[in-house]
Amino acid sequence: GESVGLHLPTLSVQEGDNSIINCAYSNSASDYFIWYKQESGKGPQFIIDIRSNMDKRQGQRVTVLLNKTVKHLSLQIAATQPGDSAVYFCAESHSGSARQLTFGSGTQLTVLP
Amino acid sequence: EAEVAQSPRYKITEKSQAVAFWCDPISGHATLYWYRQILGQGPELLVQFQDESVVDDSQLPKDRFSAERLKGVDSTLKIQPAELGDSAMYLCASSLDGNQPQHFGDGTRLSIL
Repeated sequence: GESVGLHLPTLSVQEGDNSIINCAYSNSASDYFIWYKQESGKGPQFIIDIRSNMDKRQGQRVTVLLNKTVKHLSLQIAATQPGDSAVYFCAESHSGSARQLTFGSGTQLTVLP
Repeated sequence: EAEVAQSPRYKITEKSQAVAFWCDPISGHATLYWYRQILGQGPELLVQFQDESVVDDSQLPKDRFSAERLKGVDSTLKIQPAELGDSAMYLCASSLDGNQPQHFGDGTRLSIL
């Protein structure tokens, strides 16, 4: 069935290091991917998205990489800061689903001082 | 930056009671979504609107849940009667259209006693 999963439920990194959060998906028809950051008690906050015609997209301190061959995407956060501590979700959609997002279960990122 | 507004932020009620949640999307956003998020999991879509029309409510438990967006702007999600298993975060999101990123509100945390 269709699913979006994350490799690791938790990730701890030292402040200033780079973080890499991974996500696998199973639907070959998925053509749109998006990353959200969710802090405790708040709604998901949009970070960055990528469409399947791209392999890489960069934002401010963040980069998303998409590998369609192995159905994998990753979120890289450069120079991780304490404010980056949160749960990160990947989500995917495809044109046949009315662009509805299917979310993974999330990775808890903890930034250590 | 414009935000999706939701109220109330918290709701505690007893089972069998009726509850209602309100959402005001970002101005100009035609597509509106209601999600349910259980602690530790990703959001799951309940219903999607395009303007005032329901695009998909296949995951909405229609024996007890209802949603409306009468004028194609703000929306209300209702549960009657509430059950213990309905305890969760209820999130609203909006997007310009189905092909643009969804932006979330901070949700309503529902606790059923």
